Amino acid sequence: EAGVVQSPRYKIIEKKQPVAFWCNPISGHNTLYWYRQNLGQGPELLIRYENEEAVDDSQLPKDRFSAERLKGVDSTLKIQPAELGDSAVYLCASSSGTGYGYTFGSGTRLTVV
Amino acid sequence: GDSVTQMEGPVTLSEEAFLTINCTYTATGYPSLFWYVQYPGEGLQLLLKATKADDKGSNKGFEATYRKETTSFHLEKGSVQVSDSAVYFCALVDSGGSNYKLTFGKGTLLTVNP
Repeated sequence: EAGVVQSPRYKIIEKKQPVAFWCNPISGHNTLYWYRQNLGQGPELLIRYENEEAVDDSQLPKDRFSAERLKGVDSTLKIQPAELGDSAVYLCASSSGTGYGYTFGSGTRLTVV
Repeated sequence: GDSVTQMEGPVTLSEEAFLTINCTYTATGYPSLFWYVQYPGEGLQLLLKATKADDKGSNKGFEATYRKETTSFHLEKGSVQVSDSAVYFCALVDSGGSNYKLTFGKGTLLTVNP
């Protein structure tokens, strides 16, 4: 079974440019999460989807971040415009709904210069 | 709110040494507790979990016991290997509601030398 797939693995952009990350969860997992992991820190939740509905986006900086999950499967996280402080690893995870069976992707390491 | 505090690293050990990484938590409800491991260049992997008091999670020689009285979930391994070198994260899910948000500690970098 394929795991959670994220792309790209690495991205370097100049500040004020837009960037997008893509996530394909495990087939059948209705819950999808985006986490941000700053250097030397644990991951922090940005947004949680149940199917196509964003049910917890309280930690998402909505002035520059947006996310979507079309048809309740793949998801895209976008930043526009990017700032230096957005440099981090962006992790996608999915679960079957119990909350205990998280599977994380390998993440996208974003560097804003 | 919920929080997890784990011992600061880095931790450097020789192969076959005993490992302890301390973890304590604060939660409003009755949490489930986890240890995740992150190998260099890879995503987070679930190492072990415990869902109620006095449960012991174990995997790959690692163990941790859910201690409600001390709000702790310390990770232990009797004999570490070079391949155990990674960052270890303690985490919780507060099961008091329907929000399955994982709250992580800051992580502890473990380096095992041959």
